[in-house]
Parts: sequence; structure tokens; C-alpha cells
Amino acid sequence: GENVEQHPSTLSVQEGDSAVIKCTYSDSASNYFPWYKQELGKGPQLIIDIRSNVGEKKDQRIAVTLNKTAKHFSLHITETQPEDSAVYFCAASPSGGGADGLTFGKGTHLIIQP
Amino acid sequence: SAVISQKPSRDICQRGTSLTIQCQVDSQVTMMFWYRQQPGQSLTLIATANQGSEATYESGFVIDKFPISRPNLTFSTLTVSNMSPEDSSIYLCSVTGGSYGYTFGSGTRLTVV
Repeated sequence: GENVEQHPSTLSVQEGDSAVIKCTYSDSASNYFPWYKQELGKGPQLIIDIRSNVGEKKDQRIAVTLNKTAKHFSLHITETQPEDSAVYFCAASPSGGGADGLTFGKGTHLIIQP
Repeated sequence: SAVISQKPSRDICQRGTSLTIQCQVDSQVTMMFWYRQQPGQSLTLIATANQGSEATYESGFVIDKFPISRPNLTFSTLTVSNMSPEDSSIYLCSVTGGSYGYTFGSGTRLTVV
């Protein structure tokens, strides 16, 4: 089955700086790669996703890049703000929106230092 | 995207008892999924629930421990049976039904004592 590795487990950055979280996956059949933000006491919230036919996607301060050859995808957050502090999870699936569930990475605790 | 309501939001249960968690969606969805998130850990898929058929369980999860119902396209239940302290986790319902990917409920925080 699919295996998703996520690094780092904890990331501390100064407010206004950029943050990058990296994930690798093992199953070449995976073609949908979402990123979730989870705040304390809440369920995961989708912040951005990318499909395998796209190399990069951007939404305001958040961007995701995908390298299918290397089985690697990354989350980039620019101009970080205190409200960006949370746990971020990457995930992979063979069929985004289809019959398969998600395989998650272990998560990254992002801390924004004021 | 769909809006998911999960009940209860939290519970404290005695070992050996069972708890049924409800997941209600505000629109008809094709697939519903149940996940477990152990304290401080990531999410692990328990099973996939498709309306009109038996749930499909992931490796390490069995129907006798986690029976699931999916009576219609907007509702599902997960039961955690014969609970032990190791079952203390957050249980999350997720749905997918189109191009918006996967949406999650806010979860049920279960503590077994």
C-alpha cells in the first residue's frame, strides 16, 4: 500500500518568513495530493490540493509543487502569520474524489514566532 | 463543499462498553470514510462506507470491532465495540462526492477509562 513520509515534524519560523514542508510518497498510482491544516480541537481543513497532471498550484500565500518523477510534493507558505500556527498534514490518494481514502503523512507542527 | 455534522463531539466511556458515532452530511455524497487519529498522531483510514453495500475495512481494522452502517447517501454510523483504553482517539468522518476532494467532520473525541 501507499506510504507517505513528511518532514520536518516541527518547524519554527519567524513571522513574515516562509515555511516549506516536504512529503514523499511510494505508490506511483497516487494522483491526488491534498494538504490539510488542523488546529487544536478541530478536524482537518483542506487548504490546497494538486493533481498529478499539474506541477504547481498557488492560492494567495500558499503554494504546492509536485514532482511525479521523484514522487515528491511540497507545501510553501509565504509571509507567515501567527494564525498559520497549526499542524499540517500531507496526504495521497489514487483517486481524489473517488472511491479511495487518503494516506496521511505524520504531520508537521508549524510554529510562527512573533 | 459538503458540511458534516458528527455526534457526539466527545465522550468518556467505560471499558467493555460500545459507542456509536453518527455522521450526517448536508448533501448526498458517494463515498464516506472513517478515520482514527490517536493522541498526537496522524490520521489512519479505518474503512470506506458505500451506500447499499458492506463497508470495506483497511488492514488492522475488523468489522466486529468497528461495525459501520450506511443506510443512505447522507448518513453513516461507526460503532467502537468492547472498548479498551487503547481505543481512546479522535474518530473522524470524511466524505467525497465530486471535484472538491475530501471534507472532514470536526471529530468525536473518545476517552475510554
